[in-house]
Amino acid sequence: GAVVSQHPSRVICKSGTSVKIECRSLDFQATTMFWYRQFPKQSLMLMATSNEGSKATYEQGVEKDKFLINHASLTLSTLTVTSAHPEDSSFYICSGIGDRTNYGYTFGSGTRLTVV
Amino acid sequence: GDSVTQMEGPVTLSEEAFLTINCTYTATGYPSLFWYVQYPGEGLQLLLKATKADDKGSNKGFEATYRKETTSFHLEKGSVQVSDSAVYFCALSDGAGNTPLVFGKGTRLSVIA
Repeated sequence: GAVVSQHPSRVICKSGTSVKIECRSLDFQATTMFWYRQFPKQSLMLMATSNEGSKATYEQGVEKDKFLINHASLTLSTLTVTSAHPEDSSFYICSGIGDRTNYGYTFGSGTRLTVV
Repeated sequence: GDSVTQMEGPVTLSEEAFLTINCTYTATGYPSLFWYVQYPGEGLQLLLKATKADDKGSNKGFEATYRKETTSFHLEKGSVQVSDSAVYFCALSDGAGNTPLVFGKGTRLSVIA
């Protein structure tokens, strides 16, 4: 079946640095990628929706200059957390859609970001 | 807007007990319904889905039936195992193009031997 490979699975960075998270769709072309954030013991909060070749659409309250999303190809979408702070520590998950009939929503395995 | 409400957890069961996790939804149109499972430290895995009324999704002993009259999609399993311990999310898709899933808050299940 369809797979979204998300890397890194865990990352620890210092305050003020930037971190890039990659999601690659394997075996299908992800025309749309959704980026979620999950706080401990809570549900997934949609951060943004990106369509290949166009600018991402951010949810209300999500800083687009802080969470840079790039979806330059049908198989790769990236989320860059810029100038990270401890409050950005969270679990980030991507979800790709390709051929909705066959593949539906495919989730990456998540990235645990810890900012120290 | 569309929404999903699922029972609050945590739910603690003994091995081989019967499991029900309630899920109801509010949506315009004809949504598709999903159950996802999240094991500790991992992403979400699709457990089962149903795309129209009266459809029954099933996988790994879990079942859920799309009930339009009660706007529900309750998850059931006849005999849970310790390995079923995880967080379960009910979700819906409005099916209108490439729109994101709407998730419930999740229900944490712990199964003890």
